[in-house]
Amino acid sequence: AQSVTQLDSHVSVSEGTPVLLRCNYSSSYSPSLFWYVQHPNKGLQLLLKYTSAATLVKGINGFEAEFKKSETSFHLTKPSAHMSDAAEYFCVVRNNFNKFYFGSGTKLNVKP
Amino acid sequence: DTGVSQDPRHKITKRGQNVTFRCDPISEHNRLYWYRQTLGQGPEFLTYFQNEAQLEKSRLLSDRFSAERPKGSFSTLEIQRTEQGDSAMYLCASSQYSLRDSSYEQYFGPGTRLTVT
Repeated sequence: AQSVTQLDSHVSVSEGTPVLLRCNYSSSYSPSLFWYVQHPNKGLQLLLKYTSAATLVKGINGFEAEFKKSETSFHLTKPSAHMSDAAEYFCVVRNNFNKFYFGSGTKLNVKP
Repeated sequence: DTGVSQDPRHKITKRGQNVTFRCDPISEHNRLYWYRQTLGQGPEFLTYFQNEAQLEKSRLLSDRFSAERPKGSFSTLEIQRTEQGDSAMYLCASSQYSLRDSSYEQYFGPGTRLTVT
């Protein structure tokens, strides 16, 4: 069975400081993992994906995530937060039947 | 290509009424997915189509819910005899297999927000 746990429902950082959004997954197979971002009143946008190639994945807007099989984690990071990064972020695992399982989301607040 | 579109964006209905939502996927995408997202939760899978065939339905999808994709292009999701618990954002996504990295990515529409009063 596949599932995703996002450990923090809310994260608050100051502009210019690092961002860490945590995600742990469980999967019966080699997983494909994704991070999506959802801005208010906008659709979900793909940030980055891991599909069994490089374990460090770079995405849009300076975000990256590292796949760690031993820790079953896929945490999302960014070196320096920007006000425009304030949004809700979802970690997603895809199973071998191309079914997507979403985490419950982490709301990122960026303080000026 | 304008991406995935959904219509309407908002729907307010009274309990017991029927509602229908439409999703237009990205034109060359053969897979189409429906999700439901309630407040404070991530999207939950409802059903998906490959071309016009409905391949899987979630247990969340009661008999009051039906989805179609008659020509393998746009899809409709109908909810009969709506209940207050049906109030949610209904999201549509489409995808196509990528040879570049041997994977599917899902592209989401803006969603239809349903409020049942």
